[in-house]
Amino acid sequence: DADVTQTPRNRITKTGKRIMLECSQTKGHDRMYWYRQDPGLGLQLIYYSFDVKDINKGEISDGYSVSRQAQAKFSLSLESAIPNQTALYFCATSEGGRETGELFFGEGSRLTVL
Amino acid sequence: RKEVEQDPGPFNVPEGATVAFNCTYSNSASQSFFWYRQDCRKEPKLLMSVYSSGNEDGRFTAQLNRASQYISLLIRDSKLSDSATYLCAVNNRADSWGKFQFGAGTQVVVTP
Repeated sequence: DADVTQTPRNRITKTGKRIMLECSQTKGHDRMYWYRQDPGLGLQLIYYSFDVKDINKGEISDGYSVSRQAQAKFSLSLESAIPNQTALYFCATSEGGRETGELFFGEGSRLTVL
Repeated sequence: RKEVEQDPGPFNVPEGATVAFNCTYSNSASQSFFWYRQDCRKEPKLLMSVYSSGNEDGRFTAQLNRASQYISLLIRDSKLSDSATYLCAVNNRADSWGKFQFGAGTQVVVTP
């Protein structure tokens, strides 16, 4: 089983619908992240959380919200989805505060908003 | 201007050849650097960290040039399996090592 699990893996929805993407991890890491990836733009940070009580906005948080339900769970919500939120979304984890700390990614959630 | 920039490629490389490409970063406070590999429609996976003195892992060599603010990746004796997109990432202490900034990736295509 993957250390970082995202659900759903694929989702097609309509404009205006509420969508939740869920992420769970078994790595025991404190830090969790949500990124979106669009062709030609690379990975853009949406939100990140250093622990259950610490949540921070990233570069492109507008239109998104998150919830850190437990150390192992970090969910991303689109309250009212719009077509330009069509993208590949990745959850990631890392150990806390190390210069050499790397990110471990989930397999991604492909979201299409019609 | 993006904080981390890469030549998108593609770099078309004959099998067995050497390919090298760079990643430039604009934040002079950047302190840690990484190369990730991403296969088509898959998640990025760490290829190697980049250390100040440069480092090598098998056929892969990473270099850091702080003065010119770029990192490089060189792949020797390219294999078909090296075909992928290579993402660079930078991080710094100011954000408690929390805000990894990624480039858009360089695509490498190794041909028989």
